[in-house]
Amino acid sequence: GENVEQHPSTLSVQEGDSAVIKCTYSDSASNYFPWYKQELGKRPQLIIDIRSNVGEKKDQRIAVTLNKTAKHFSLHITETQPEDSAVYFCAARGQNFVFGPGTRLSVLP
Amino acid sequence: EAGVAQSPRYKIIEKRQSVAFWCNPISGHATLYWYQQILGQGPKLLIQFQNNGVVDDSQLPKDRFSAERLKGVDSTLKIQPAKLEDSAVYLCASSLDPSGRLRGNEQFFGPGTRLTVL
Repeated sequence: GENVEQHPSTLSVQEGDSAVIKCTYSDSASNYFPWYKQELGKRPQLIIDIRSNVGEKKDQRIAVTLNKTAKHFSLHITETQPEDSAVYFCAARGQNFVFGPGTRLSVLP
Repeated sequence: EAGVAQSPRYKIIEKRQSVAFWCNPISGHATLYWYQQILGQGPKLLIQFQNNGVVDDSQLPKDRFSAERLKGVDSTLKIQPAKLEDSAVYLCASSLDPSGRLRGNEQFFGPGTRLTVL
């Protein structure tokens, strides 16, 4: 089955700086890679996703890149704001749907 | 449109007791998922339904967990008997079409049920 790793587990950045979170997956058949944001005590919410036929996708301050050959994908947040502070999860859909362990992002004012 | 509904929101039981959770997905969503999220970890898929059929239950501890979606709409997840390590948030999610052929892979999550086993 699919296995998803995520790094770093915690990340602190200054407001206005960029944040990058990286994930790797094991199932070469995986074709869908969403990113979820989860604030404390709340449900995960989709912030961006990418399919395997696309290498990059951008939505305002958020972008995701996918390298199918290397089996890794990354989330990029530019001009970070305190409200970006949350736990971010990557996920991959192959034979199974698997979430990564999460990255706790703290944006310091 | 209404979101995914779950009940109860909180449940406290003693070990070896039974508990059941209910989920009503977004209207028209064919696929329903149950996840277990232990504190500090990512959601772990327990079972995935496509309409009323099971697509994936490979990580469901079948000796104590069961789930059904008899009419292809709402679903129940049961734990019998509960263990201390079952303490977690149980999340239900639904999506329009999981295959990726149509636009509809996005999973919408319910608010979750926080289970505490004492």
